[in-house]
Order: sequence, then structure tokens, then C-alpha cells
Amino acid sequence: GAGVSQSPSNKVTEKGKDVELRCDPISGHTALYWYRQSLGQGLEFLIYFQGNSAPDKSGLPSDRFSAERTGGSVSTLTIQRTQQEDSAVYLCASSLGYDQPQHFGDGTRLSIL
Amino acid sequence: GQQVMQIPQYQHVQEGEDFTTYCNSSTTLSNIQWYKQRPGGHPVFLIQLVKSGEVKKQKRLTFQFGEAKKNSSLHITATQTTDVGTYFCAGPDGGATNKLIFGTGTLLAVQP
Repeated sequence: GAGVSQSPSNKVTEKGKDVELRCDPISGHTALYWYRQSLGQGLEFLIYFQGNSAPDKSGLPSDRFSAERTGGSVSTLTIQRTQQEDSAVYLCASSLGYDQPQHFGDGTRLSIL
Repeated sequence: GQQVMQIPQYQHVQEGEDFTTYCNSSTTLSNIQWYKQRPGGHPVFLIQLVKSGEVKKQKRLTFQFGEAKKNSSLHITATQTTDVGTYFCAGPDGGATNKLIFGTGTLLAVQP
């Protein structure tokens, strides 16, 4: 079956522009996570969706970052007024529940010029 | 908030040597998961431990969950170049949403 799909795989944009990153989780997975990973660093938690519950946004670094998950499936992460420090790989993961193994997408490599 | 630390941050070994990474949580974990991320890749789930003192083996990899369920270890016997990558532990943070949080990771380099 299909795994977690993320698009685009690469995104290069100018500082100040808005970007939208998309994540298509595995069908039936109720939990969806967004992480940010800078080169050689660990996984920085951004936001967590679980079913119909209010998302856990405690990891979003600023109000320029937002995410939504429509119909309990596809999720988009939006970064407004991008800054150079936003350059990183953005990883999405989905799972059957909060304590279940996570399945990661290949990520979106974001570069801000 | 809860923190999950791993040591060492980096380990360089000769092929054939053993390797161990340790994971320590500031709070008790209901379960612990381990992931491997190859260079340029994404994290891939390896195993989940649930019971206090649990030990599980996958070929040359041995995973252990501490008696107090606050620490865990991953031991690789006779490393191979295919073991290269970053190993992360992860566990639910026990908060309102019980989201999974990842440890700081250990990067393993294996010299042939």
C-alpha cells in the first residue's frame, strides 16, 4: 500500500514569501505529526493532529507557522513571510494512534534564499 | 516539560566492534520506540518496548527497557557498514495529548 506522501520534495523560495507544504498520510491513520529537521540535527516537533481533537500546536516556533488537517486526512503546513532560519527538511508522519509506530514521508527540503 | 536525552551524540566504530546508545527520560514512559534514520533518509521504525525490563532482539540488535521505564538502550553486536545512521528513541510525553517526542539521537559512523 501507499506510504506517507509529501509534496513538494524540494522547495526554493525567496525570503518573505509564503509556502505551503502538503502531507498525505496513510489511509486510516488518525494521528499526524509535523517535524522540522535542520542539517545534522534531531527532530523538532511542530504540531500533532489526533482524530477530531484539537491539534497540539505547542511546537510551532512562531505565529508565522500554521497547519490544518482537512477531513481527518490530508494536512498542509503553511509558513508565512519565510525567513532564512526556516530552511530545513520538514517531515510528516502518521500512525494509527498516539503510541503506535510512526510512518514518515520523505520530507520537503525547504530552502529560503 | 519532558525531555528525552540520548548518549552519546556521536560514535565512530571500526566495523565488527559493538555499539550501544542510551536513552534517558525525565519522566516514566508508557512505552519506548526506536527509529533509525539513514543519511539522507527519513526515520524508520525499528521496535516498540512496553513492559518494564523488557528485552527484544532483532538479529544483531538488542533493545532493552529499564525497570523504572525511564531509560532504554540499543546495542548492536559486530557492527556493519549498513548500520550507519542516526538512532532515535521516542516515547509519549504523558501530557494532555500524549504526543510522541523524540530523543536527541545518536549518530553512528562505521569505518570498514
